[in-house]
Amino acid sequence: QVQLVESGGGVVQPGGSLRLSCAASGFTFINYGIHWVRQAPGKGLEWVAIISFDGNVQLYADSVKGRFTISRDNSKNTLYLQMNSLRAEDTALYYCAKQLAVARNYFDHWGQGTLVTVSS
Amino acid sequence: EIVLTQSPATLSLSPGERATLSCRASQSVSSYLAWYQQKPGQAPRLLIYDASNRATGIPARFSGSGSGTDFTLTISSLQPEDFAVYYCQQRDNWPWTFGQGTKVE
Repeated sequence: QVQLVESGGGVVQPGGSLRLSCAASGFTFINYGIHWVRQAPGKGLEWVAIISFDGNVQLYADSVKGRFTISRDNSKNTLYLQMNSLRAEDTALYYCAKQLAVARNYFDHWGQGTLVTVSS
Repeated sequence: EIVLTQSPATLSLSPGERATLSCRASQSVSSYLAWYQQKPGQAPRLLIYDASNRATGIPARFSGSGSGTDFTLTISSLQPEDFAVYYCQQRDNWPWTFGQGTKVE
């Protein structure tokens, strides 16, 4: 079955960096775009970034553009999110989510999330 | 950016009752709208995509309708496991956006 397992979250000071990972299994990783979606504590869902199946296209929410970088290693079935210049408002549970199909950007499988806390 | 507005914020119902949740888009999203269910401590689960298609394994009591700017998620007869928060999401225009959620309690 499809599994997505995030890791790399933690507590970081404002202005610091973190690298999140998402290990995928149970499907043909190279065939799908993968997203990051976040959820601040007690709040709703916010789309963060997507990388295309081949890694050639990356899109970002305005709130993270220029600070976050999404990448993937198809040989390792792993997705990454490099987060720099972190702010208090980046505090959230970060989910990786698989797209339903190419160009059908709904999220049909989600990981359990990894918590990022930005605090001094 | 397309804004999705869900109503009501909270829906108070009893098991066996019918639930009707609304999602309104700030501009047309054609039929490119999905619904998700999220229970406390869990990741969201895709219920409906393209306005009316049930995702794999979703019970028939969940149905979606609408197009353009107005969409509805209906749960025909609430089961105890259906009490949760429901989000709509559009994929018609980048950036993809979510509604703020409706809590069914």
